[in-house]
This record gives sequence, C-alpha cells and structure tokens, in this order.
Amino acid sequence: DSGVTQTPKHLITATGQRVTLRCSPRSGDLSVYWYQQSLDQGLQFLIQYYNGEERAKGNILERFSAQQFPDLHSELNLSSLELGDSALYFCASNLGLSSGRYNEQFFGPGTRLTVL
Amino acid sequence: QKEVEQDPGPLSVPEGAIVSLNCTYSNSAFQYFMWYRQYSRKGPELLMYTYSSGNKEDGRFTAQVDKSSKYISLFIRDSQPSDSATYLCAMNGGATNKLIFGTGTLLAVQP
Repeated sequence: DSGVTQTPKHLITATGQRVTLRCSPRSGDLSVYWYQQSLDQGLQFLIQYYNGEERAKGNILERFSAQQFPDLHSELNLSSLELGDSALYFCASNLGLSSGRYNEQFFGPGTRLTVL
Repeated sequence: QKEVEQDPGPLSVPEGAIVSLNCTYSNSAFQYFMWYRQYSRKGPELLMYTYSSGNKEDGRFTAQVDKSSKYISLFIRDSQPSDSATYLCAMNGGATNKLIFGTGTLLAVQP
C-alpha cells in the first residue's frame, strides 16, 4: 500500500457527461501528479500540483482540469466525455522537492473510467 | 517518434530464467532512470532507480544505464512466477519532475 488513495475505483458514465476523480496524497507529501493510462498510449503525464499551485502540465486536454485543495487532496475533472477518454487514471504523490534531485513518486491504485 | 521506446512484449520465460528488459530514449537531458513494476489492476510501484550512467544491483534485480547510447536495461535473475507483471521504464530530468514512461513490457514467468 503506497499510502495514496483514490476514489472511486470504478466509474461508468456516458459520452458528454462530466466526472470528478479524487486523490488523497501520502501524509506529508505536498505534490500530486495525475496520469492517464490507456492501452495504446501507455502512462501519460497530465498535470502536477505542488502545495495548491499548478507546477507542470503535460498532455492534458482542455476538457480536463484539476485542482489541489488546502488540505492537499486533489481532484481531476473530466468533462464532455468521449469514448476515447476511457482509461485508468492514476494519481501519484511525493514531497515535490525542487528539480535536479531524485524524487520518487508513489502511485495510488487508480480509477478505471469507462465511457459508454 | 516517442521520447521513450519500450518493446511491449509479451515476454514469456520459464521460472529461473534471466530476463532482460530494455528501453531507448531520445532526450539527452534525462538524468534519472527508473523501473516500475505494475501488477494487473494495480498502480505502478518503484522497483529500481539510477542516476546517470552505471549499474545498480538490488537482490535479483540489476539496472543498467548507458547514456552514451541512450539505452537502459533491467535484468531479473532467477525469475519467479511472482515477477509476472508489466515493467515500465521511466525517466526525467531538466526543469521539472515530470516522468516520461515507456509503454511497458508484459512479462509472464511460467512455473
């Protein structure tokens, strides 16, 4: 158990809908990362937050947004869902130390999103 | 061309075999190289990491990095059925902590 929790475990919804995925980082971690894992694209970095502020952005669609709250939990909002958004969404956390130093990321169990 | 290339497999070996998993990359700014193991329906977990070029050994696992060739490897000795999983290489460097992952290699160790 990494100490990172994600809810819900599974989510089934329809095209055009909006969903919210939730992540609680490990105790003491300030940084949260969101990843999307699909069969054809592998694990893709979406976005990073550090202590409430956006730190880095990856291949995140405009229909997706995220935020990190004062208690450091994070939410990933996916809107106008399409069939191709079906994937596993992982959250990871770490201390978020400055770049140039190794910084292991601890992954949660993921949320499996199915868009019908 | 992807920044990190990894053979997706699947790779099937008998118990006790030596397994070699590899990734190539194109970005010379990468400094930290990691191997994650992901069991089915679970999140990735860090197995090994190395900084810059060289070897690192941990039990049955050895990670190698050759920055001149932009090539990294993970060797598993005396493979066990419990090693059956997807192995993902990952790397980062430069201005952010963003990890770039390979697509993963599915390994099956047959008892």
